[in-house]
Amino acid sequence: SQQGEEDPQALSIQEGENATMNCSYKTSINNLQWYRQNSGRGLVHLILIRSNEREKHSGRLRVTLDTSKKSSSLLITASRAADTASYFCATAKYSGGGADGLTFGKGTHLIIQP
Amino acid sequence: EAGVAQSPRYKIIEKRQSVAFWCNPISGHATLYWYQQILGQGPKLLIQFQNNGVVDDSQLPKDRFSAERLKGVDSTLKIQPAKLEDSAVYLCASSLSGGINNEQFFGPGTRLTVL
Repeated sequence: SQQGEEDPQALSIQEGENATMNCSYKTSINNLQWYRQNSGRGLVHLILIRSNEREKHSGRLRVTLDTSKKSSSLLITASRAADTASYFCATAKYSGGGADGLTFGKGTHLIIQP
Repeated sequence: EAGVAQSPRYKIIEKRQSVAFWCNPISGHATLYWYQQILGQGPKLLIQFQNNGVVDDSQLPKDRFSAERLKGVDSTLKIQPAKLEDSAVYLCASSLSGGINNEQFFGPGTRLTVL
């Protein structure tokens, strides 16, 4: 079953604007990760935030995590045409025994208009 | 560094036929995952291997799906017999070792169409 639920499902903005995507999840987690997927490069890991962290930055990406609300947001600043892709949040819950497969949401499809 | 390799990239079969997918993880990666991604959805974990042992196959439809990783390196995923609802992209991923906060690296996937 899907753990995360991204919002919005689709987002279209002008190049240079900022894009914000949200993710909500249902159960407790060890970490939350964001991935990007496009036809050219497949599924690519963007950033990981641990359950005891509240904010993390990587280049033009900023991720926040609110475990009390079971939600996360991904901000892409100064968007570029190359940012056009689907973005997925994925949660990891380490249950012991080594099982740590990711549970993905349905994704947000981001389109950057030139 | 070479990434995760998968083959074939595309496969079209008729329902009730069988099909197999192959995955070669990044060299040295002990953990290997197979995910199924249906169009419009996020990937769903099917099975996780640690070396050549199964760690989690709770979401694998075992009546028709099987997977193996005999020597702890390459892996194959088989579907027999295929159903229409198996049409999806099958993604293989690997990580250096299992455990929290590990990064998974994904292959390009195999797009399966069942007619």
